[in-house]
Parts: sequence; C-alpha cells; structure tokens
Amino acid sequence: DADVTQTPRNRITKTGKRIMLECSQTKGHDRMYWYRQDPGLGLRLIYYSFDVKDINKGEISDGYSVSRQAQAKFSLSLESAIPNQTALYFCATSDSGGPTGELFFGEGSRLTVL
Amino acid sequence: LAKTTQPISMDSYEGQEVNITCSHNNIATNDYITWYQQFPSQGPRFIIQGYKTKVTNEVASLFIPADRKSSTLSLPRVSLSDTAVYYCLVGEAPGGGSYIPTFGRGTSLIVHP
Repeated sequence: DADVTQTPRNRITKTGKRIMLECSQTKGHDRMYWYRQDPGLGLRLIYYSFDVKDINKGEISDGYSVSRQAQAKFSLSLESAIPNQTALYFCATSDSGGPTGELFFGEGSRLTVL
Repeated sequence: LAKTTQPISMDSYEGQEVNITCSHNNIATNDYITWYQQFPSQGPRFIIQGYKTKVTNEVASLFIPADRKSSTLSLPRVSLSDTAVYYCLVGEAPGGGSYIPTFGRGTSLIVHP
C-alpha cells in the first residue's frame, strides 16, 4: 500500500458542484501539503499544514479550502468548482524532524470540471 | 525564500552525461539545495540534497560551488527512463523550521535514443 494515498484518483464534475479530494498518510509525518499542477507550470502550493492545529494558505488558495481532520488526514475542498480548476492535484507529506525535509507525494488526483 | 532559475528544457541522448544548472543567487546561510524528479502523471520524488561541495548517490551527483549561488545536478549516462522534469528547491533542512517547499517550472529533460 502507498504511504500517501489520494482519493479519488480521477473525477469529472460539473461547474458549481462541491468536490472534496482526500489525502491520508501512514508515514506519521506532521506536515502535509496540497499542490496543483497544470501543464508546463510546475507545482503550485494551495494550502499547507505543519500540524493538526496549523493551516496556512499557499500561493493559490482562492477557491479552495482544507481540513486537517487528524495528523494522517488532510482534505482539499472546492466549494463551487469552476473549469479553470481542472488540473492534477497532489498531496504531499514531510517530517519536520527528518534529516532532509524530503517530500513524499501521493499518486495525484486528476480533476476535470466541465 | 530563495528564488531559483533553471532552463525550461534540455535534450540529450542515451549514454550521455546531463548537467542541469540551477541559479539561486539569494540563498541563505541555513538553506539546503534539494532536487526532485517527476515522471508524467506521477508526484515528484526526492533525488538528492546538498549544502556545499559535492554530493553523490546512486542516482546523481550534485555540485555546489563555494559561493553556493548555483548548483548543478549531474546525471551520468542517461537512459530513456531519465526523461522527466527536474526541480531545484532551496530552503531550510533538516528540521524544516518554517520551510515551505516551493516548486518552480522545473527543467524538462528529454532523452533521445
């Protein structure tokens, strides 16, 4: 089983619908992140959480919200999806006490908003 | 945050050595340099990290000059499977502190037969 699991892996929805992308991890890491990737644009940070009680906006948080339900779970919500939120979304974790601060990524959630 | 600059794309051929340079002119004293590799439709994965001089592992080497204002990722004898996007990140590690991992557009490496 993957250490960082994202669900769903693929989702097609319509404009205006509420969508939740879920991320769970078994690595015991305290830090979790949501990134968005569009073709040719690299990864852009949406939200990040350094622990359960800490939530921070990234560079492109507008139109998104998150919930850190437990150390192992970090969900990303689109309250009212729009077509330009069509993208590949990645969840990642890192260990603040680790030797390198290395990020571990999930397999991605491909979202299409029609 | 230290800003990084990398070439958008590079082409190479199987068996050649590939060097990808990243500029980070305002790197801070506590910053480390980390490289990630991303295959299509997969999340990035950690390749190598260094602070100064040279670091080598089973995948790549990382060369960092004394002024640390740039770094070079070296991939020896590339194969088709090394076709990927490579990202250079700069920030605090280990321990993390307030480090927020920020990815740029990376360098798209295409290896030709």
